[in-house]
Amino acid sequence: DVKVTQSSRYLVKRTGEKVFLECVQDMDHENMFWYRQDPGLGLRLIYFSYDVKMKEKGDIPEGYSVSREKKERFSLILESASTNQTSMYLCASSALASHSSNEQFFGPGTRLTVL
Amino acid sequence: GQNIDQPTEMTATEGAIVQINCTYQTSGFNGLFWYQQHAGEAPTFLSYNVLDGLEEKGRFSSFLSRSKGYSYLLLKELQMKDSASYLCAVSGGYNKLIFGAGTRLAVHP
Repeated sequence: DVKVTQSSRYLVKRTGEKVFLECVQDMDHENMFWYRQDPGLGLRLIYFSYDVKMKEKGDIPEGYSVSREKKERFSLILESASTNQTSMYLCASSALASHSSNEQFFGPGTRLTVL
Repeated sequence: GQNIDQPTEMTATEGAIVQINCTYQTSGFNGLFWYQQHAGEAPTFLSYNVLDGLEEKGRFSSFLSRSKGYSYLLLKELQMKDSASYLCAVSGGYNKLIFGAGTRLAVHP
């Protein structure tokens, strides 16, 4: 059974803290993605990676960075957390674009609250 | 710009049929996805259309018209467990997905 796991389901941090969100997939997928999901806005892409050590900005990268040192792991970093980064964070992975449907498989999400 | 529109909320009765529409304007198109997301859970894949026409998968069907920038998801024989949000997403390069805001469907007895 394919699996994408995220390090925490719930996280509470204080303004200014550095926050690490970890994502691991066991499907040997090349592509990995970080989204945030907010009511009325849907899923918005923060960063994605199509290979180890490669990263590309998504639609809302400000205030975030990422790291992909190993194929199976993609980390999202909030350098200095702010209250407007309170959100649900979803990680996803997918196979190469040449595959048929390229569906993305999602992790369970991390609900981050920044106080 | 890039835009994906779908209704915010819909209600339907158990056993009925419901159609959730999605219109899109995107700079690239490599296919359209529908995902289901129950409250507090991860989105799960429902369907994928890259060519015009209808794709049927059990109680769920999805239709695409590329010339009109339009898709719909059809749910038949509705069950209470179909109460969820349904997300329309268009695939661009590198398998990037652009998501609509989602349609929250409530199924009533």
